[in-house]
Amino acid sequence: QSALTQPASVSGSPGQSITVSCTGTSSDVGASNYVSWYQQHPGKAPKLLIYDVSNRPSGVSNRFSGSKSGNTASLTISGLQAEDEADYYCNSYTRTSTWVFGGGTKVTVL
Amino acid sequence: QVQLLESGPGLVKPSQTLSLTCTVSGASISSGTYYWNWIRQSVGKGLEWIGRVYARGSTNYNPSLKSRVTLSVDTSKNQVSLQLSSVTAADSAIYYCARQVTGTTPLDYWGQGSLVTVSS
Repeated sequence: QSALTQPASVSGSPGQSITVSCTGTSSDVGASNYVSWYQQHPGKAPKLLIYDVSNRPSGVSNRFSGSKSGNTASLTISGLQAEDEADYYCNSYTRTSTWVFGGGTKVTVL
Repeated sequence: QVQLLESGPGLVKPSQTLSLTCTVSGASISSGTYYWNWIRQSVGKGLEWIGRVYARGSTNYNPSLKSRVTLSVDTSKNQVSLQLSSVTAADSAIYYCARQVTGTTPLDYWGQGSLVTVSS
């Protein structure tokens, strides 16, 4: 299975909105409602941000939202804040009952 | 509060077998429908899913690693184990264990990670 495709980096100014894309295939993202997003700060373990395409766990800011269209999932961060600077990874369940991650996107707050 | 703690040798020689243990507290690994996953991250790189083991012993593996990976559970110690055989420098990474409540739910609890370096 190949890693999902994410842009290497995305940047934005404080208060702006940015979107991180995650492109897979009809065997993973396109076939699954089980797409998640994780946030990882340097030296830390990943933290669950979005699950089942668009659901937020308790405690996660509503500035984070997720969506999916076809083989591409997206994470939108609205009202960008300094603490949002981190790496973001998408993750999808596949038709063969495995999981696959995206390559990761570094979000920079200008 | 569920906590996961990875442990094992920080240095493994090439061609040998890497062995790590994930000790779980705050939850019984054999209860409910828990799945226990292993994920790794090479330094400065992205996350790679290695595989998962169901509380009752069934497994799913990343096809690219399947021939070298073995996951198992020890319910008496509340531990999950990872063995990766015939390692090379490319297997040097931080290894994380993480929990799923059911087979399709997200990875909700993660360990802090265990750094393993493959070098002679």
